[in-house]
Amino acid sequence: SAVISQKPSRDICQRGTSLTIQCQVDSQVTMMFWYRQQPGQSLTLIATANQGSEATYESGFVIDKFPISRPNLTFSTLTVSNMSPEDSSIYLCSVEDPGGPRFFGPGTRLTVL
Amino acid sequence: KQEVTQIPAALSVPEGENLVLNCSFTDSAIYNLQWFRQDPGKGLTSLLLIQSSQREQTSGRLNASLDKSSGRSTLYIAASQPGDSATYLCAANQAGTALIFGKGTTLSVSS
Repeated sequence: SAVISQKPSRDICQRGTSLTIQCQVDSQVTMMFWYRQQPGQSLTLIATANQGSEATYESGFVIDKFPISRPNLTFSTLTVSNMSPEDSSIYLCSVEDPGGPRFFGPGTRLTVL
Repeated sequence: KQEVTQIPAALSVPEGENLVLNCSFTDSAIYNLQWFRQDPGKGLTSLLLIQSSQREQTSGRLNASLDKSSGRSTLYIAASQPGDSATYLCAANQAGTALIFGKGTTLSVSS
């Protein structure tokens, strides 16, 4: 099974600033996914990030607000840009074990003041 | 577009009781259905994965079933314990796509 780490684990940021979240996997994976979990809610998919191609964003999420990089098969970053208090959430990355279960990182808890 | 629904939203039971959590999905052409557990303030722990060709999976006191034709999955927890208290999430995906999550069932087991 894949082991996923995320940095930072939590952060408190001021509105208008940006935060970049890193996701590192201990094995090479083709597909990586970024999710958001707002307080008291379930997980919502932000985008799918495949190495060597542009990320695919879900309805309601745009690249200018959530730019994603996927430079290789073990790493991805998600940036939350021009933050507002509504961006306060847990952000999680996930990877696919082909034909098997999906694994999730421990999450990044973001609070925007 | 796939939609996943979980009922009930919350459930409280005394210790030792057997219980069933329900999950329904709108698109029966799923590839995998996965059950997760999430403790407050924590990440997701994968409990069981049922592939589309399977009917059920078991792990310890947990048993998950899948009925694609009716668009339903159930998670059965036997002899519940206070340590089972958590939010249980059901998620489904088609091949090569991301998991779509239900809103979860928050379980409380009292001693």
